Amino acid sequence: EDQVTQSPEALRLQEGESSSLNCSYTVSGLRGLFWYRQDPGKGPEFLFTLYSAGEEKEKERLKATLTKKESFLHITAPKPEDSATYLCAVNTGGFKTIFGAGTRLFVKA
Amino acid sequence: EAGVTQFPSHSVIEKGQTVTLRCDPISGHDNLYWYRRVMGKEIKFLLHFVKESKQDESGMPNNRFLAERTGGTYSTLKVQPAELEDSGVYFCASSQVPLGTDTQYFGPGTRLTVL
Repeated sequence: EDQVTQSPEALRLQEGESSSLNCSYTVSGLRGLFWYRQDPGKGPEFLFTLYSAGEEKEKERLKATLTKKESFLHITAPKPEDSATYLCAVNTGGFKTIFGAGTRLFVKA
Repeated sequence: EAGVTQFPSHSVIEKGQTVTLRCDPISGHDNLYWYRRVMGKEIKFLLHFVKESKQDESGMPNNRFLAERTGGTYSTLKVQPAELEDSGVYFCASSQVPLGTDTQYFGPGTRLTVL
């Protein structure tokens, strides 16, 4: 069965303290891996799509990387406004997307 | 450009009642998706429309759930009769290109509470 696991469940950082979130996946065939940000009371907001191992994408303080078994979302020098839940999801073909449970990030000033 | 909108934002109903959720996708987006997140669990796919046609409804939990997209514009998701386990947040998303890897834009969700 296709599965997406995110770790840690929650992460508390001080402002400026860089770290990484992990998304490991066990799927029959990866067509695309997505990262979303979700703020309380809102829907997921698209960040990145990665398609193949070795691919990297960056946006401001965020950098997403992909290997054959996992993806990392690196947060460099985070700010309090980066506090949110970060979701990882995969597409294995067709239109069905499988989500992980998310990592709740708290950044303290 | 207006994003994906959903109505209502919250709904509280009693077990056995009927509720209809509405989703308006981004204008021009032929692909529309429904998802659900129950308490403490991950977001799960319910179904996918291309225009007015259901392409994949493998995630629909049972026949108490009925989704429609008449005219290929807005979509409704009806739950009849509602059960306690239907409580959760229902998200709608839309995308432009008929590819599973196309960027999906999510609405704010409808929080459904069944008492």
